[in-house]
Amino acid sequence: EAEVAQSPRYKITEKSQAVAFWCDPISGHATLYWYRQILGQGPELLVQFQDESVVDDSQLPKDRFSAERLKGVDSTLKIQPAELGDSAMYLCASSRDRGKMSPLHFGNGTRLTVT
Amino acid sequence: AQKVTQAQTEISVVEKEDVTLDCVYETRDTTYYLFWYKQPPSGELVFLIRRNSFDEQNEISGRYSWNFQKSTSSFNFTITASQVVDSAVYFCALSGDTNAGKSTFGDGTTLTVKP
Repeated sequence: EAEVAQSPRYKITEKSQAVAFWCDPISGHATLYWYRQILGQGPELLVQFQDESVVDDSQLPKDRFSAERLKGVDSTLKIQPAELGDSAMYLCASSRDRGKMSPLHFGNGTRLTVT
Repeated sequence: AQKVTQAQTEISVVEKEDVTLDCVYETRDTTYYLFWYKQPPSGELVFLIRRNSFDEQNEISGRYSWNFQKSTSSFNFTITASQVVDSAVYFCALSGDTNAGKSTFGDGTTLTVKP
C-alpha cells in the first residue's frame, strides 16, 4: 500500500524561528491528522482535517501553530515562533474515512529539536 | 473522557520467549474500537489490529494474539516466540463516539527482545 510521505525527516531550529512540516497522505484518504509525540509518550492529536476543512483543532496551540490543507490533499503544519517545549516528533496520519473504526496510517514523522 | 493505560513502560525478554503487553481502557461509549500499533526505531507507527466493542472473540495471527475482555476493560497483546525484529514501542489506542472518532493513545510499552 502507498505510504504517507512527510518531510523533512529531521529539523533543528532555534527558538523564536519559524518552522514548517509537510505531509502527503495516502491517495484517496479524505481524513488527515497531525499528531505530536513527546518522547516517552503516546501521540496526541493536534488537528484533524476532513478534505480541506478543519474538523478538530481543539488541542492546537493557535497562538503559534497553524495548519492548512488547501486542496484537500497535502498539508502543512507551521510553528511560529518555535519554543523549546515544541521539541517532539510530529506525525502525520491519514485514514480512508472519518470515524472511530478507521485505522490510522502514519508517516515516518518529523523530529523537531528547538535549541 | 477516554483513557488508555499501558502500565508496562518497558519489557525485556530473550528471543523465543512469549511476552504479553497489557492495555486497560476507560470509556463511557457503548460502541468503540480498540487498536494496537507498532512503532519500530524508524519511527513510523504501523497498524496491527482493530477490534470493536461488540466482538470479544480473541484473535490469533501468526505469532500474534489478542485477548479482549470487556468485563475487565482490557485488550492485551501477546507475541509468541518473540524475535529480535519484534523490538519496538507498542501502542494501544481507543476510538469512540465521545471523542468524535478521535483515537486516544496510551503511552506505549517499549519491548526489547535480546538475542
